[in-house]
Amino acid sequence: GEDVEQSLFLSVREGDSSVINCTYTDSSSTYLYWYKQEPGAGLQLLTYIFSNMDMKQDQRLTVLLNKKDKHLSLRIADTQTGDSAIYFCAETELSGGYQKVTFGTGTKLQVIP
Amino acid sequence: DTAVSQTPKYLVTQMGNDKSIKCEQNLGHDTMYWYKQDSKKFLKIMFSYNNKELIINETVPNRFSPKSPDKAHLNLHINSLELGDSAVYFCASSPTSWGRAYYEQYFGPGTRLTVT
Repeated sequence: GEDVEQSLFLSVREGDSSVINCTYTDSSSTYLYWYKQEPGAGLQLLTYIFSNMDMKQDQRLTVLLNKKDKHLSLRIADTQTGDSAIYFCAETELSGGYQKVTFGTGTKLQVIP
Repeated sequence: DTAVSQTPKYLVTQMGNDKSIKCEQNLGHDTMYWYKQDSKKFLKIMFSYNNKELIINETVPNRFSPKSPDKAHLNLHINSLELGDSAVYFCASSPTSWGRAYYEQYFGPGTRLTVT
């Protein structure tokens, strides 16, 4: 569960769609997560997907999972300035029976008005 | 009501000093964590406790010593601070972390540690 990779930066115009990509490493992850970190704050869970699903939609958010390629993506429709933040994907692995979460490198989303 | 709180929010200290960061959660969770976020925003787990028992201990210098007096509190003591310890330290909690079920982690606001 090392080196969960994300592109570092994404810039979009308000109203456009944003797609944030993540490549994870642990194929046994049962759940994969997306967290959001606003400036000066801790992380907050945005959404998650169970590993036997290919897609999950939650209002403006769509999560796509390609288990074969270990690729996870987060699409934000109609991106707003309030969506500007750092987005972290996260995979899970078991360590001694307990779940250990490994966060990705983070993608900073900048929304231009 | 604050769910996961940390004190202090900012900590500026000199190399060689010893300092502590405190964390408390009022969510009734069994599991608590310490994470370190560096200047590039990379977030790495340091320790995890479940019901006061250490369950995850990543490769962290032994100058870092966590202590969990009860399951609502997880403190982090750092001895002989070094420049490289400068980072934002986040505490988090989750209902539990046993098995493969879904768990949301709740994060505190972070403690920005600056070592000069």
